[in-house]
Amino acid sequence: GAVVSQHPSWVICKSGTSVKIECRSLDFQATTMFWYRQFPKQSLMLMATSNEGSKATYEQGVEKDKFLINHASLTLSTLTVTSAHPEDSSFYICSASAGADYNEQFFGPGTRLTVL
Amino acid sequence: GQNIDQPTEMTATEGAIVQINCTYQTSGFNGLFWYQQHAGEAPTFLSYNVLDGLEEKGRFSSFLSRSKGYSYLLLKELQMKDSASYLCAPMDSNYQLIWGAGTKLIIKP
Repeated sequence: GAVVSQHPSWVICKSGTSVKIECRSLDFQATTMFWYRQFPKQSLMLMATSNEGSKATYEQGVEKDKFLINHASLTLSTLTVTSAHPEDSSFYICSASAGADYNEQFFGPGTRLTVL
Repeated sequence: GQNIDQPTEMTATEGAIVQINCTYQTSGFNGLFWYQQHAGEAPTFLSYNVLDGLEEKGRFSSFLSRSKGYSYLLLKELQMKDSASYLCAPMDSNYQLIWGAGTKLIIKP
């Protein structure tokens, strides 16, 4: 299957700083990328959907000014958590699909963020 | 509203068979995915059903009944490595996956 990478795998930062997480599709062109957040023992929560070259669509309750998403190319999307706070500590997972509508989502390995 | 209903936790014995049920309600329907998620890791794809019936793939099979809003994942010849959470995720009319909390499967020797 297709491979999606995320970097970094884990990050610890101080409260108030910004953190950038990269999501790359390594062997296919990802028309659409999805960013999820998952707290312990809870379901995946979709934060936003991004299509290459256009602005991301954020889910209700997700602050677009706090979680900046850039999908500048067909193989790279970035999520920047600005002015991070301890409550932003979570497991952030990206996924990518090659089609505009149905297509299997391939998940990255996730990034564990801890904000002190 | 959109809703997924799966058992929170199940326990089974190594070598046995287990069936994980899922009922769902979505706005429109474009198929249903099953994913496996080990603790601390991202989900990995197991199966996709869009038509009624059974799809078999090795030790894993998935069944769908669209009229009943029902699916199940069947795992045969259970191995210890199958201990994980299993996520049922239907896709709605906007091609968005709807996620529940999943079923945590515990395999005992």
